[in-house]
Amino acid sequence: KNEVEQSPQNLTAQEGEFITINCSYSVGISALHWLQQHPGGGIVSLFMLSSGKKKHGRLIATINIQEKHSSLHITASHPRDSAVYICAVRSFDSGGGADGLTFGKGTHLIIQP
Amino acid sequence: NAGVTQTPKFQVLKTGQSMTLQCAQDMNHNSMYWYRQDPGMGLRLIYYSASEGTTDKGEVPNGYNVSRLNKREFSLRLESAAPSQTSVYFCASSEGNSYGYTFGSGTRLTVV
Repeated sequence: KNEVEQSPQNLTAQEGEFITINCSYSVGISALHWLQQHPGGGIVSLFMLSSGKKKHGRLIATINIQEKHSSLHITASHPRDSAVYICAVRSFDSGGGADGLTFGKGTHLIIQP
Repeated sequence: NAGVTQTPKFQVLKTGQSMTLQCAQDMNHNSMYWYRQDPGMGLRLIYYSASEGTTDKGEVPNGYNVSRLNKREFSLRLESAAPSQTSVYFCASSEGNSYGYTFGSGTRLTVV
């Protein structure tokens, strides 16, 4: 079973700071997802990536397949970025009926004005 | 708005009661999922449906049943609720393994 570790668990930063959230996993994957969950709210898919880098607005996601590591960066952070960010991976051996996504426990981010 | 709709948003049950959580998506996705989210743990898969007419157990299926009524709807039933089933439940859909997921807004269930 793939283990997914996120760091840090909690992060408090000032508005405008550059934010980095890390995700490490233990076995080979076919895809990695970054998700966002606001307090009391639903879950929104931010990125799905299997190699390289993706950018959407102020959010950037990178993945290093050889090192089994991904990072989510937020540039010019804003209080509205305050949320839980969740990393999830699909393992290569996720055949059969189950969808094979393994989720990290999330990083709780607070951006203070 | 296009997306995944879950009902109800909140529910309190007594131990032993039954209920069905409803989920519908209007994106014509083949795959649908039910997850539970508990404090300090990652999302865990309860049941999964790869396509209309098929369902499969996930990581934590005990105490639950599901029905894929048609391509749009995937319901989750608790036949005899237990306090251990107190959780936030999320329904999600996807076009398949190579695509992203769309999640519903969640159902906060408390079993007393």
